[in-house]
Amino acid sequence: EVQLVESGTEVKKPGESLKISCKVSGYSFTSNWIGWVRQMPGKGLEWMAIIFPANSDIKYNPPFQGQVTISADTSITTVYLQWNSLKASDTAMYYCARHVSWSFDLWGRGTLVTVSS
Amino acid sequence: EVVLTQSPGTLSLSPGERATLSCRTSQSASSNYLAWYQQRPGQAPRLLIYATSNRATGIPDRFSGSGSGTDFTLTISRLEPEDFAVYYCQQYGTSFLFTFGGGTKVEIK
Repeated sequence: EVQLVESGTEVKKPGESLKISCKVSGYSFTSNWIGWVRQMPGKGLEWMAIIFPANSDIKYNPPFQGQVTISADTSITTVYLQWNSLKASDTAMYYCARHVSWSFDLWGRGTLVTVSS
Repeated sequence: EVVLTQSPGTLSLSPGERATLSCRTSQSASSNYLAWYQQRPGQAPRLLIYATSNRATGIPDRFSGSGSGTDFTLTISRLEPEDFAVYYCQQYGTSFLFTFGGGTKVEIK
């Protein structure tokens, strides 16, 4: 079965670091770009970043450049999203999604990140 | 910066009615670059339409997309109970940037 499975819910304090993951299975991991999309509570979708696992080519949405780091490990078919210093405003649901034909055709269920002191 | 404006913000309709959702983009783009998603409460988004008018795998034919240039439309011909959700349009822009619209909520009247 083709699926993307994100890591579990996280509760962190401001200033802490975090790395969430997206495990890919059921298709060739190096064939498609994989992106991350943020959804803040009660709000819409925001594309953050995307990576091509075959060569780690990376693109960031400018508002997120420098705020997060996207990476991939082809040996375990997993894509990551990392923060060095979380803020309360990072509280959101984060989805990974597979890119096909200039759209995102396969989505994970999301990782809920809560940042609170 | 590309901006996608969806209207209306909320659409109140009854099951069986037709829904017409609009997405206006600030920059004209190839019709290959416009997609629509459905998000039900508590669920991840689901791709409905890609390249303006192509239904994704498993999407019923009551969903259709059209448009060109800067004006695009998602039509649901007859609303089923499971269609009451939030719908987002998304455009691929230059320099490998993806932008989502603010969403249209289709609610039961």
